[in-house]
Amino acid sequence: EAGVAQSPRYKIIEKRQSVAFWCNPISGHATLYWYQQILGQGPKLLIQFQNNGVVDDSQLPKDRFSAERLKGVDSTLKIQPAKLEDSAVYLCASSLIGPQQYFGPGTRLTVT
Amino acid sequence: ILNVEQSPQSLHVQEGDSTNFTCSFPSSNFYALHWYRWETAKSPEALFVMTLNGDEKKKGRISATLNTKEGYSYLYIKGSQPEDSATYLCAFTGNTGKLIFGQGTTLQVKP
Repeated sequence: EAGVAQSPRYKIIEKRQSVAFWCNPISGHATLYWYQQILGQGPKLLIQFQNNGVVDDSQLPKDRFSAERLKGVDSTLKIQPAKLEDSAVYLCASSLIGPQQYFGPGTRLTVT
Repeated sequence: ILNVEQSPQSLHVQEGDSTNFTCSFPSSNFYALHWYRWETAKSPEALFVMTLNGDEKKKGRISATLNTKEGYSYLYIKGSQPEDSATYLCAFTGNTGKLIFGQGTTLQVKP
């Protein structure tokens, strides 16, 4: 079974630029999550989708972050414009039923 | 505010040493406790999902215990090997279903 795929794996941008990350979950997994992991901290949930609907985006900084999952499969997370404090690893995860989540390898973003 | 704390923050051991880490979590509204291993440049890998007080789980040289009444879990590694070097994350799931992560324990095993 293929795992959660993410791209790009690494991205370096300057502050005020825009960036987008892509995630392809495990086939058949209805729930998709985006997490932000800042160095020295645990991953923090940004947004949760159930199929193509948003379940929880309470911790998403909506003035600069946006996410979509139009066909209920792939998802993109966008930051526009980026700030220095957005430097982090962005993890995508998916789940079928129950609490078990399966993670992708993450995108490491550096904002200079 | 739900708080999940892990200790120590980092650990350096010699190959063959046994080691353990602690995860503290809220003792109310408990649903599950997860342990993940996250190697550099790889996906976080699920080690255990634990739901019952007193639960003990084992996977090779790694084992975990759970005390939901006092809100802690221990992860043990017996006879550490260099390939055990990783960050170990615990995550609490309460009645919201969300994963609340600790900050992780980074283990470095020297050959």
